[in-house]
Amino acid sequence: NAGVTQTPKFQVLKTGQSMTLQCAQDMNHNSMYWYRQDPGMGLRLIYYSASEGTTDKGEVPNGYNVSRLNKREFSLRLESAAPSQTSVYFCASRSTGADYGYTFGSGTRLTVV
Amino acid sequence: GQQLNQSPQSMFIQEGEDVSMNCTSSSIFNTWLWYKQDPGEGPVLLIALYKAGELTSNGRLTAQFGITRKDSFLNISASIPSDVGIYFCAGRGGGADGLTFGKGTHLIIQP
Repeated sequence: NAGVTQTPKFQVLKTGQSMTLQCAQDMNHNSMYWYRQDPGMGLRLIYYSASEGTTDKGEVPNGYNVSRLNKREFSLRLESAAPSQTSVYFCASRSTGADYGYTFGSGTRLTVV
Repeated sequence: GQQLNQSPQSMFIQEGEDVSMNCTSSSIFNTWLWYKQDPGEGPVLLIALYKAGELTSNGRLTAQFGITRKDSFLNISASIPSDVGIYFCAGRGGGADGLTFGKGTHLIIQP
């Protein structure tokens, strides 16, 4: 099925470890986004990429880096994980000019111990 | 930054009842979106609103884009068990990419 695919679905890290969350979309969308969701907080934007080759900070970028590898893929990297980064991470995509909403992946549940 | 105030935080209703939730903001948004999230899944778009005053329906769901562009509401008529979940409003401003989300309304249907 067409959509946004995130891997892994679950991950446990020790404080200080690094990891990369992967996201790929097959809808030929230009814009891609990374959000984090914490209990009672809604979703907050970490980074986004309006087009291949560009990335910009969102509301909560500290402790994260991103790479827009190509039009399909947008990865999120934690260089040195901290317990405060325990969260559910969602990737989303949108076609430029089509403001009918964003398509979300099913999330990556990350626990940092 | 922009903030959305979504209320109520949770609702406990009986099957068949109508539901109403709303979002307000101190900032103007050009687009209002309503999403539903089921446990273990990402948000799924329910309704998108693009013009101030716009009223849009999707089956038993009706949403309106406030005339001031600072608020929106979502109504669900004749609730059924599969309506259980968390509902989020989200707004998109004119010059910014990405969405600003409300904190969600948790809908619980009592048997």
